Amino acid sequence: GQQLNQSPQSMFIQEGEDVSMNCTSSSIFNTWLWYKQDPGEGPVLLIALYKAGELTSNGRLTAQFGITRKDSFLNISASIPSDVGIYFCAAPSGTYKYIFGTGTRLKVLA
Amino acid sequence: NAGVTQTPKFQVLKTGQSMTLQCAQDMNHEYMSWYRQDPGMGLRLIHYSVGAGITDQGEVPNGYNVSRSTTEDFPLRLLSAAPSQTSVYFCASSPLGGSGYGYTFGSGTRLTVV
Repeated sequence: GQQLNQSPQSMFIQEGEDVSMNCTSSSIFNTWLWYKQDPGEGPVLLIALYKAGELTSNGRLTAQFGITRKDSFLNISASIPSDVGIYFCAAPSGTYKYIFGTGTRLKVLA
Repeated sequence: NAGVTQTPKFQVLKTGQSMTLQCAQDMNHEYMSWYRQDPGMGLRLIHYSVGAGITDQGEVPNGYNVSRSTTEDFPLRLLSAAPSQTSVYFCASSPLGGSGYGYTFGSGTRLTVV
């Protein structure tokens, strides 16, 4: 079935560093979503992408819809301690349904 | 604006016990779903509903039942709890009308089955 592979699985970074993560699949999608899950909370939508090649920002976060439509990328600039959490990519798996990646766990060292 | 409310936040069950996880949303969303989150597995869809009276199975439905009698509520029932059902459960909702809206998630129920 469809599967979303996220890398890296986890990362430790120093405060102020930039972060890059990606999400890949063997399937083509027409929408990519990025969520963040804070510890003890549910995921919250960060960015939605609807077009191949699209680059969208939300504050220090920038996400890109890969031109092959099989991948997406999320960058965080100048990380701060509150960026800690799990970042999930998601893509539609049918009408109204989504599949989620396994997540990238981010830990920021002050 | 409450969004998606899940109760309880934590629960411990003994093997074989039954219970219902509650989920309510106040956004008039037609679509509601239940996911479970396990380490290294991401979020996996259990059941979903596109409106009152309409439910369907997701990726991992065995051992769980759902019903949707109102737009607002979508409870998840564990009929006979098993240790394999130890997980964090999330309820999510969205409006219908396309695949681009994304979900609003509740804050989760952490369930331990001993």
